[in-house]
Amino acid sequence: AQSVAQPEDQVNVAEGNPLTVKCTYSVSGNPYLFWYVQYPNRGLQFLLKYITGDNLVKGSYGFEAEFNKSQTSFHLKKPSALVSDSALYFCAVRVFNDMRFGAGTRLTVKP
Amino acid sequence: DTAVSQTPKYLVTQMGNDKSIKCEQNLGHDTMYWYKQDSKKFLKIMFSYNNKELIINETVPNRFSPKSPDKAHLNLHINSLELGDSAVYFCASTSQYARDSYTFGSGTRLTVV
Repeated sequence: AQSVAQPEDQVNVAEGNPLTVKCTYSVSGNPYLFWYVQYPNRGLQFLLKYITGDNLVKGSYGFEAEFNKSQTSFHLKKPSALVSDSALYFCAVRVFNDMRFGAGTRLTVKP
Repeated sequence: DTAVSQTPKYLVTQMGNDKSIKCEQNLGHDTMYWYKQDSKKFLKIMFSYNNKELIINETVPNRFSPKSPDKAHLNLHINSLELGDSAVYFCASTSQYARDSYTFGSGTRLTVV
């Protein structure tokens, strides 16, 4: 069965600095990978996805992610963090109709 | 217009009661899901329906019973509620053959006292 791992429970960065939220995956075949963001008391919002093509994918709010097949990773990145980026981030992998999520990483951006 | 709507948003009930959570999507999707998010924020899939047929049924107590009257609706009925059922329950939908993201509802916070 497919799975994703987010090795960091918490990531802290200063506003204006680059941020990285890590994700590794395990799946048979080609992975469909996703990042979602969850703000307090809200549902999950889609940020970006990798299906095929360029390894660097760009998404909402200036986020991007790099698919690395050899390292089975799909890290989320942003060149310059904003305080408003503070939220819970989930990596996910989809195989047909089954999407599994990582445990989530809480990102805190300090002014 | 809300794409995936869940009702109620908040639900506080006593142990032993039976309650239902409703979900509706207006996206024309054919596949719907229930996820449970516990206090540690971990998201666990519970059920999935495709065109009213159950396709994913994770290890969930029999007290939880999903019902899909049509492909736009997926309801969750919980019998004999327990303290450990307290969580946020999210409904989501997608298209079966689309390599696409899921669309999530805003969640139902269930508190069992």
